[in-house]
Amino acid sequence: AQTVTQSQPEMSVQEAETVTLSCTYDTSESDYYLFWYKQPPSRQMILVIRQEAYKQQNATENRFSVNFQKAAKSFSLKISDSQLGDAAMYFCAYRASYELSNFGNEKLTFGTGTRLTIIP
Amino acid sequence: DAGITQSPRHKVTETGTPVTLRCHQTENHRYMYWYRQDPGHGLRLIHYSYGVKDTDKGEVSDGYSVSRSKTEDFLLTLESATSSQTSVYFCAISEDPRTVRTRNEQFFGPGTRLTVL
Repeated sequence: AQTVTQSQPEMSVQEAETVTLSCTYDTSESDYYLFWYKQPPSRQMILVIRQEAYKQQNATENRFSVNFQKAAKSFSLKISDSQLGDAAMYFCAYRASYELSNFGNEKLTFGTGTRLTIIP
Repeated sequence: DAGITQSPRHKVTETGTPVTLRCHQTENHRYMYWYRQDPGHGLRLIHYSYGVKDTDKGEVSDGYSVSRSKTEDFLLTLESATSSQTSVYFCAISEDPRTVRTRNEQFFGPGTRLTVL
């Protein structure tokens, strides 16, 4: 079974600085997808960024970027120019590739989350 | 925002009572999911559906049942609620990834906070 590990329960960063949240995962598959979700105090789950394992290039979305190390099974999230609105729980998630789908691989496996605090 | 609503948004009930949570979508997505969120566990899959009347168990399905009689509705039932089922429940939807490869995204509802006394 796939597992996702987020070893940092809490992180804090000064406003306008850069912070990196770590995530490692365990899988025997070669093709899969990785996601970072943000959960602000409103409780809404918001997709921040996605990475396809078959793509070598790291995904970026404005101030958010990932460092995807497939061999090391590592998928970290970097937030640049941190803003107060970035304060939230961040969850890393894994999903198997649809080519392997057998009505079950579409499910997401989540890490336990990292609570990010932004210091003004 | 994806059109997903959950009802009720908050519920307090007593041990042993039946509870049904409803997820409604307006996106006509094929897949629907129920997760529970607990401190220290992230989100864990309870049940999912890959079409009308087609459902299967997730990793924490004991004590829960689901039904999907229409594309837009996915019901989660706790037949006899227990205190261990106190949690925040999220519904999610996704398109069939085999037909929409570039998507692969699950959209989440606003969540239901359930307290079992």
